[in-house]
Amino acid sequence: AQSVTQLDSHVSVSEGTPVLLRCNYSSSYSPSLFWYVQHPNKGLQLLLKYTSAATLVKGINGFEAEFKKSETSFHLTKPSAHMSDAAEYFCVVSPGGSQGNLIFGKGTKLSVKP
Amino acid sequence: DGGITQSPKYLFRKEGQNVTLSCEQNLNHDAMYWYRQDPGQGLRLIYYSQIVNDFQKGDIAEGYSVSREKKESFPLTVTSAQKNPTAFYLCASSIAKNSPLHFGNGTRLTVT
Repeated sequence: AQSVTQLDSHVSVSEGTPVLLRCNYSSSYSPSLFWYVQHPNKGLQLLLKYTSAATLVKGINGFEAEFKKSETSFHLTKPSAHMSDAAEYFCVVSPGGSQGNLIFGKGTKLSVKP
Repeated sequence: DGGITQSPKYLFRKEGQNVTLSCEQNLNHDAMYWYRQDPGQGLRLIYYSQIVNDFQKGDIAEGYSVSREKKESFPLTVTSAQKNPTAFYLCASSIAKNSPLHFGNGTRLTVT
């Protein structure tokens, strides 16, 4: 069965410090993986996607994520947090082929302190 | 600019009334989706459509209905049979099923 687990429901960092948002997945097939960001009362915006090319994926706004098959992880990182990064982040897995629909994690709320 | 438009942004209804949420896209995408978002629950799929005049139930379709008469439009009706309709509803589209999604800005429905 396919699943995705975001290990932290809430992460708090200070401005200028690194960000790490953790995501583990389970998939029987070669999955595609995505990270989305949602600002309050807005829709979700795609940050980055992994589709079996390079394992280190760079996204918008300085975010990147590394696909680690041995650890079934796809953690999102950013070297230096900005106040505007405060939002909710969703890890999403697309099962391979026609196996079902996109599976969303429950989200991690990122707070950035000045 | 291409995008997805959801209207209205806020919607208030009395219990027992049906209500229809609008979703229009000009991205020329074949696939469209409706998700429901509740605090701490992530997104749950209500209905999706991969082509005009065809749609499939998602994980929580009970109490909802949809139509797809035009490629650009995928309205969602929340019926009186939906037991807990108060939520944030998000419409999305993609080039194909399970491709990256483009989202609208959502409709917040409150039923009292």
